Amino acid sequence: EAAVTQSPRNKVAVTGGKVTLSCNQTNNHNNMYWYRQDTGHGLRLIHYSYGAGSTEKGDIPDGYKASRPSQENFSLILELATPSQTSVYFCASGESSYEQYFGPGTRLTVL
Amino acid sequence: QQKVQQSPESLSVPEGGMASLNCTSSDRNFQYFWWYRQHSGEGPKALMSIFSDGDKKEGRFTAHLNKASLHVSLHIRDSQPSDSALYFCAASAVNTGNYKYVFGAGTRLKVIA
Repeated sequence: EAAVTQSPRNKVAVTGGKVTLSCNQTNNHNNMYWYRQDTGHGLRLIHYSYGAGSTEKGDIPDGYKASRPSQENFSLILELATPSQTSVYFCASGESSYEQYFGPGTRLTVL
Repeated sequence: QQKVQQSPESLSVPEGGMASLNCTSSDRNFQYFWWYRQHSGEGPKALMSIFSDGDKKEGRFTAHLNKASLHVSLHIRDSQPSDSALYFCAASAVNTGNYKYVFGAGTRLKVIA
């Protein structure tokens, strides 16, 4: 079965600090995605990638960077974390219009 | 305004009953639809897709799409307590090649035993 893993699962950060969320997939999918989930907003797309070396801005990219160093790995970077970035973050992988496979999520709290 | 709107926000049905969830897109470019289900503490998992007008049935789940009104629904018959979860509708634009989905805010379903 398709597998997407995320680390860490929980993270507490201080305002102004740097946070890196990591995602690994063993599906050999070209496309990878980062979402955040907040009550009342559903899942909102932050950044996505079509393959190693590529990153694209999603619907809410401000305050976030992404890195795709390999087919398997996709990172989300918060250079200067703010309390408004407290959320649950999900990584997903997929191909074309087929289903996306989600990881278990990372709960980030910025104090 | 969100491009994909879901209703109701929450829904309670008795075990064995029928649950009906609705989703409407405000963007005529969005014509590929997926339903995802998320149990508490987990990531969302795809339930089914629907890309053509009409009904699509998979087990106890039936999706219906009306492209003219950009409305898609999900009907769960013989609802089970294990169906209690947050359900998302996701829509994608046709022929864009970038395969991004826009998700609705979700409908929280509770099946009461």
